Amino acid sequence: DGGITQSPKYLFRKEGQNVTLSCEQNLNHDAMYWYRQDPGQGLRLIYYSQIVNDFQKGDIAEGYSVSREKKESFPLTVTSAQKNPTAFYLCASRLRELGGYTFGSGTRLTVV
Amino acid sequence: AQRVTQPEKLLSVFKGAPVELKCNYSYSGSPELFWYVQYSRQRLQLLLRHISRESIKGFTADLNKGETSFHLKKPFAQEEDSAMYYCALAFSGGYNKLIFGAGTRLAVHP
Repeated sequence: DGGITQSPKYLFRKEGQNVTLSCEQNLNHDAMYWYRQDPGQGLRLIYYSQIVNDFQKGDIAEGYSVSREKKESFPLTVTSAQKNPTAFYLCASRLRELGGYTFGSGTRLTVV
Repeated sequence: AQRVTQPEKLLSVFKGAPVELKCNYSYSGSPELFWYVQYSRQRLQLLLRHISRESIKGFTADLNKGETSFHLKKPFAQEEDSAMYYCALAFSGGYNKLIFGAGTRLAVHP
């Protein structure tokens, strides 16, 4: 069953801790993306990656980091420098210039 | 700068009424536009893509380059259409990043 898997579904973090969100896809898509979804603000792009070992900052990259060591994986680390990390995080992927983007089911991160 | 604007946060209609969810964009190049839908407790999924010019679940959307709009329309709303709708813009060519509007919540009442 092809698709994008995000884990965990819910995540709780104490202030001052880093946490890593997982995103794995078996669609053989080249490009992968991380978005943050907040009520009333839509989806905002955090980071994106076009190919392995390459990634670019999106509109709200501060306080986040990513890696792309494998084509199928694009983990996102929310660092302690992120001032307001509580949000819903969505991962997406796309095969170059074909079709729309495929989204994961999301991870809800809560800082306690 | 590229931007997508959805002016309505909430659109409330009765079943059987026509629906139009507005979307305006700003982009100097050749846009690629999408509508995504998010039903309650489900993942975001593609509804329409302007290139394909197809109708999905009775929804259509026409790209108007003169007015820089990509409004989503349906002649007769159904209760199951109640969801969050996002308009999105991708830049032409390559591994485009997708820019989203703030979203419009459509509520269809019986």
